[in-house]
Amino acid sequence: QVQLVESGGGAVQPGRSLRLSCAASGFTFSSYALHWVRQAPGKGLEWVALISNGGYEKSYADSVRGRVTISRDNSKNTLYLQINSLRVEDTAMYYCARDRYTSGWGGGDFWGLGTLVTVSS
Amino acid sequence: QSALTQPPSASGSPSQSVTISCTGTSSDIGSYNYVSWYQHHPGKAPKLIISDVTRRPSGVPDRFSGSKSGNTASLTVSRLQAEDEADYYCSSYAGNNNLVFGGGTRLTVL
Repeated sequence: QVQLVESGGGAVQPGRSLRLSCAASGFTFSSYALHWVRQAPGKGLEWVALISNGGYEKSYADSVRGRVTISRDNSKNTLYLQINSLRVEDTAMYYCARDRYTSGWGGGDFWGLGTLVTVSS
Repeated sequence: QSALTQPPSASGSPSQSVTISCTGTSSDIGSYNYVSWYQHHPGKAPKLIISDVTRRPSGVPDRFSGSKSGNTASLTVSRLQAEDEADYYCSSYAGNNNLVFGGGTRLTVL
């Protein structure tokens, strides 16, 4: 069965960096685009980034562009999100989601349980 | 890119129907049929219940249906059941390699 397991979250100080990971199993990883979506405490879902199945096409939300890098290692079935210059407003549960299509925008048909990032001094 | 507009709450009694709206603009919902709906029980993974405006993934009950008119998409939940109580989010492709979500609607089954 399809599984997505996020890790790498934790409590960090503003200005520091963090790399989140999402380990995938149960499907042909290299055939699907993948998203990162976050949810701040008490708030709704916010799209963060998308990477195509081959990793060549990447898209970012305006709110994170320039501070965030999405990447993937198809040999390890793992998705990553590097977040630099962390801000208090980056505090959120971060989910990875598989898109229905190879290039994205078809909807996230499987999601992980998320990893919590808390940015505080 | 602004978030799509959803009512913060909706409610209905068991066996009734409820419709949740999702209002965007001509740049997102109005221009693309890449509208999805998600059901999210707190503490669990969000679940895709509608994609491409009206498509229901395998395993999703036919009580869930989606539609779109102009810049507004809608999710209808028929024959409400207790387990339908959850947060519901819409999303739409917004052009320029951007995806936007709605603010979410808390559905309460009375």
